[in-house]
Amino acid sequence: QKEVEQDPGPLSVPEGAIVSLNCTYSNSAFQYFMWYRQYSRKGPELLMYTYSSGNKEDGRFTAQVDKSSKYISLFIRDSQPSDSATYLCAMSVIYGGSQGNLIFGKGTKLSVKP
Amino acid sequence: EAGVAQSPRYKIIEKRQSVAFWCNPISGHATLYWYQQILGQGPKLLIQFQNNGVVDDSQLPKDRFSAERLKGVDSTLKIQPAKLEDSAVYLCASSKEMVAGPTDTQYFGPGTRLTVL
Repeated sequence: QKEVEQDPGPLSVPEGAIVSLNCTYSNSAFQYFMWYRQYSRKGPELLMYTYSSGNKEDGRFTAQVDKSSKYISLFIRDSQPSDSATYLCAMSVIYGGSQGNLIFGKGTKLSVKP
Repeated sequence: EAGVAQSPRYKIIEKRQSVAFWCNPISGHATLYWYQQILGQGPKLLIQFQNNGVVDDSQLPKDRFSAERLKGVDSTLKIQPAKLEDSAVYLCASSKEMVAGPTDTQYFGPGTRLTVL
């Protein structure tokens, strides 16, 4: 079993839809959870990060962590064609206040149709 | 603030040839990372430098891959000899702190797309 599992999609939605992207993980030591967005032919860019279980909101994006289920989600409200990209979840342990190596999921390719 | 620069952007080589990639991190960033991203996969860390010292190279195939970070700034990653399975995008990233705190962000370059024929 891989440490981080993510459905690669592709996922196609109409403009304005609510998008739900998910990852599951097996390592209960993971404490720091991130979502990266990667446009075609570009490097990943950090979208959101969170530590604890619960929700974190930033504009149209909401990150949700459920540590008891080892499950994280990213919700995109009012999706736009410019949101079309691959979304990668990533996570790490924290060693004595320092960030461990990032472990990435495979990424989910999202297409938002006008 | 300029981002992470990488060159070349694309490279096509025959198997058993050598290739080198170059990375210039964001100015003042202490930590530099090289990742390998195979098509359809997430990035996998190959090596991490703090200034010019290696912190983690546990996933670097040392029989064919080597990397150095000159004077704690630019870095090169070399593959010699290349195999078909090395076809991937090689991403360089940098972060500000020498010891990455929980919220220290990694900034990625655009990557070098390597095709080995």
